[in-house]
Amino acid sequence: DTGVSQDPRHKITKRGQNVTFRCDPISEHNRLYWYRQTLGQGPEFLTYFQNEAQLEKSRLLSDRFSAERPKGSFSTLEIQRTEQGDSAMYLCASSLGPQLYGYTFGSGTRLTVV
Amino acid sequence: GQQLNQSPQSMFIQEGEDVSMNCTSSSIFNTWLWYKQDPGEGPVLLIALYKAGELTSNGRLTAQFGITRKDSFLNISASIPSDVGIYFCAGPKTNAGGTSYGKLTFGQGTILTVHP
Repeated sequence: DTGVSQDPRHKITKRGQNVTFRCDPISEHNRLYWYRQTLGQGPEFLTYFQNEAQLEKSRLLSDRFSAERPKGSFSTLEIQRTEQGDSAMYLCASSLGPQLYGYTFGSGTRLTVV
Repeated sequence: GQQLNQSPQSMFIQEGEDVSMNCTSSSIFNTWLWYKQDPGEGPVLLIALYKAGELTSNGRLTAQFGITRKDSFLNISASIPSDVGIYFCAGPKTNAGGTSYGKLTFGQGTILTVHP
């Protein structure tokens, strides 16, 4: 069990560019969650997948954001036409079903939009 | 929607002191979770509480699930420098039957600083 892996750990991009983040969940976990955390706040839910199906999206997830989990394993989160307000830590978590036991977060991707 | 309010927002204590923080909600939670987050890392689960009134310990940490199910408390005894970090409470969104959807709502965190 290598935990939840996120790549890259840090990303600096210019406003207007597209960025993509990857999350590799714990291998036997079928649920995968994306959260966003801004400075001084707790993580806020963005979206989650059960296997390859995206089951819920927060209203925080604007049209510029898209997430995929094509084979029910790793997931990608893409932000198009980045804005300075997108600067945040993007956290991925995984779990086995809705069980809270084993619900594990990755170390996150820190995005800075300049 | 569900909101969690943590207090205090920050604490500055001396090594060896005990620490207490709490979390309140406007709505009922069936599960309370306490996480610690170090700078540049994701949150790590410290304690999970599943029953109203439950008191659970994990080493020097003790957490309680309030009997109203609208609050929870975390205590740290004999603090040490590595206790420094941000502590979050969190709870899952549940359906009317109390089954968790797995989506977590977090408080805004309590920042703990421990002076040696």
